[in-house]
Amino acid sequence: AQTVTQSQPEMSVQEAETVTLSCTYDTSESDYYLFWYKQPPSRQMILVIRQEAYKQQNATENRFSVNFQKAAKSFSLKISDSQLGDAAMYFCAKHQGGKLIFGQGTELSVKP
Amino acid sequence: GAVVSQHPSWVICKSGTSVKIECRSLDFQATTMFWYRQFPKQSLMLMATSNEGSKATYEQGVEKDKFLINHASLTLSTLTVTSAHPEDSSFYICSARGISGLYQETQYFGPGTRLLVL
Repeated sequence: AQTVTQSQPEMSVQEAETVTLSCTYDTSESDYYLFWYKQPPSRQMILVIRQEAYKQQNATENRFSVNFQKAAKSFSLKISDSQLGDAAMYFCAKHQGGKLIFGQGTELSVKP
Repeated sequence: GAVVSQHPSWVICKSGTSVKIECRSLDFQATTMFWYRQFPKQSLMLMATSNEGSKATYEQGVEKDKFLINHASLTLSTLTVTSAHPEDSSFYICSARGISGLYQETQYFGPGTRLLVL
């Protein structure tokens, strides 16, 4: 089975600093979609960023950017200028066979 | 854009009763909707995939007679937990995938439903 792995169960960052969350995946496809979702304490899943594998340019959404390394099958999320509201569970996901395959999640805490 | 609603947000019921949860895409048409279950501090577990006008496809280990899914239109899917028991208590989340453009290949999630079976 194809998998998505987040090796950091918990991460912590100081407010205004930068943090990077790691994600690796397994695939035999050449074209696919990757996502980062945020789940705050309300448990509402929020789309943070989306990357299409055929695009070489890394996706960026305001303070959120990804480092997509296709050959290494790596898809990390960088959060710049961290804010208290960024504290949440972050899930990496890969679109596979019409479904999303999720990683185990990384719980991010932000220290004031 | 890409708003998905879910109702109810909270439900408490007695063991043996049935509970229906609605999932609606408010500002886009969704050919496919998904139902997930999530336990605290864990990832989302896909229960089933539903396509408008056809039978749902259930993941291995999910009882289709226990969790009835109906996708009657391009904006509405329902999950009915039949004869609920305490072990069915969980957080249920739906998502919707759009037809084209920005919404294609991207799932947008509802706010979830907390089910407690007494």
